[in-house]
Formats: sequence, C-alpha cells, structure tokens
Amino acid sequence: GAVVSQHPSWVICKSGTSVKIECRSLDFQATTMFWYRQFPKQSLMLMATSNEGSKATYEQGVEKDKFLINHASLTLSTLTVTSAHPEDSSFYICSAREVRVPMNTGELFFGEGSRLTVL
Amino acid sequence: AQSVTQPDIHITVSEGASLELRCNYSYGATPYLFWYVQSPGQGLQLLLKYFSGDTLVQGIKGFEAEFKRSQSSFNLRKPSVHWSDAAEYFCAVGISNFGNEKLTFGTGTRLTIIP
Repeated sequence: GAVVSQHPSWVICKSGTSVKIECRSLDFQATTMFWYRQFPKQSLMLMATSNEGSKATYEQGVEKDKFLINHASLTLSTLTVTSAHPEDSSFYICSAREVRVPMNTGELFFGEGSRLTVL
Repeated sequence: AQSVTQPDIHITVSEGASLELRCNYSYGATPYLFWYVQSPGQGLQLLLKYFSGDTLVQGIKGFEAEFKRSQSSFNLRKPSVHWSDAAEYFCAVGISNFGNEKLTFGTGTRLTIIP
C-alpha cells in the first residue's frame, strides 16, 4: 500500500537554529503534499499545501518565512523551521495524495510524524 | 467553511463492549467524510471513508460508520472493541471542490479500553 515516510521522527534543537523535516512518498508519486501541525492532545491544523514544482500555499496565520516548504520532486517535500523557538515545538505531520487519485476524493496518506522540541 | 465536531473528548469502554464515536459536520455541499486513527506518537491511519453511495461504510479493523445527511453525522461504530483499539480517533471532512482537497479535522476522541 501507499507509504509516506517522515524523517527525522524526532529532533531536539537549540533556539535560533533551523530544522529540516523530510516527507517522502515511498511507493507512489505525489503531486500534492500537505503539512500539518499538532499540539499535544489537539487536532491537526493544516499549515500549508505543497505542490510539486511550484510555491506552497500557506494557511492563514502561518508564517511562510518561518516555515519554508519545498516540493522539488514527486516523492519529496521538505519543511524547514527557520530560527526555531520553543513555541515551535510540536508534532509535524505530512500527508500526500497519489498522483493517480482523482483530485476531489480527498484521500490522503499520512506520514508517521516528526516531533520537534526546541530548547 | 466546513467544520467537524467530535463531542466526546475521551471515552472509556470495556474490552468486548460495543463502541460508538460521534462526529457531526458542517458543510454546504456533499461532504467527503473520513475517520482516522492515531496511536501515540504516530501518524494517522485511514479507517474508512464516505464519498457517495451506500451510507453505511465498512472499514478496516472491524469498524463501520454511517452517514446520516439529515443529522449531519458520521458516527463510527464497532461491535466489540479490542485492547488494541485504544488510540485517538479523528473525524475529518474533505472539501469536494475540484482542485481543493483540504481536510478539516475534528478535535479527536481518545479511546481507553479497560480489561
């Protein structure tokens, strides 16, 4: 079945540093990937939509200069948290839509998530 | 804008008992509805989905859900829960507009199973 992998699964960094999280579709091509943020015991909040070969679309209230998204290929999207601060600590989850799936079905495959802790 | 409400934050049931998790949605058009399960520290796994047709949908792990348009609900059920079903469950609604496929999630229901 369709597998989405995230790396790293957890990362600890110092305040002010930048952290890159990778999201890969292992056995399918994904023209669109989504990045979510999940606070403890809360739901997933969509941060941005990443389209292969074009700029990401950010949700209202999400700083695009803070959360850089690159979708350079059909199997890889990256989220870079720039100048991370403790309030950026969260669980980041990506999801991907297989290119063959009709765009309006909404069926997505999720990665296992990446836990970021900023000291 | 669409929204999803999961009224129950936490549910505890005995192993072997039946389960129903509630989900209500708000959306002006025909919704695409999903139930996902999340184990601690893990991503989300799709349990089942409703796009159209039969309003009772079967999913993995013995789960089923029924779409009731009149009640704007999509409740998840399982006749007999297992200890391994303990997890967080999220209901989600997908926008049906072509080219826009965002999912909006409910706040989740945490399921605890007692022996």
